Amino acid sequence: ETGVTQSPTHLIKTRGQQVTLRCSSQSGHNTVSWYQQALGQGPQFIFQYYREEENGRGNFPPRFSGLQFPNYSSELNVNALELDDSALYLCASSPRGSRGDTQYFGPGTRLTVL
Amino acid sequence: DAKTTQPNSMESNEEEPVHLPCNHSTISGTDYIHWYRQLPSQGPEYVIHGLTSNVNNRMASLAIAEDRKSSTLILHRATLRDAAVYYCILDNTGKLIFGQGTTLQVKP
Repeated sequence: ETGVTQSPTHLIKTRGQQVTLRCSSQSGHNTVSWYQQALGQGPQFIFQYYREEENGRGNFPPRFSGLQFPNYSSELNVNALELDDSALYLCASSPRGSRGDTQYFGPGTRLTVL
Repeated sequence: DAKTTQPNSMESNEEEPVHLPCNHSTISGTDYIHWYRQLPSQGPEYVIHGLTSNVNNRMASLAIAEDRKSSTLILHRATLRDAAVYYCILDNTGKLIFGQGTTLQVKP
């Protein structure tokens, strides 16, 4: 069974640029959640996708957007990058996205904005 | 989602049991209690979860108070590989809201 994978591992961008991060969910999972983890903080929920539809969003501005594809892999897009967007971006897949579901996290993408 | 309160840090000796507490006084009847841990430079890892009854798995045990206002994660024999940040999370929506967690140090 293949676990959750994310690409790229590391990324450096400059302020104002756009970035796309990718996540492949675990086999059999139809839900992907994205989290932002600033240094020294716990992960913060960005949004969740269930069967290609957004299924809940945290307190993040619209320049954070996402997609989920028919194979349930997902992308996180961030436009107009700001210095505070520097963080570890984590994705997690789960079987149904319902309460009580276990989420399986990828290793994350470390984004640095200069 | 309701909030949880955990100590910022705890220490343990290797091969001794560790009890990690979590208070969640505003828990609702449908909130699941999840525990995840995050090792350095890794994504969070599921440890255990429960609703009302105590739970055991190969990694740990979860003891839930009768009134559900608190819970305790029990690592039966801590190893150096258990050094991590442990997060106690209430889940009523399938979206995890992380707090600061407890940083567990394990001393040889």
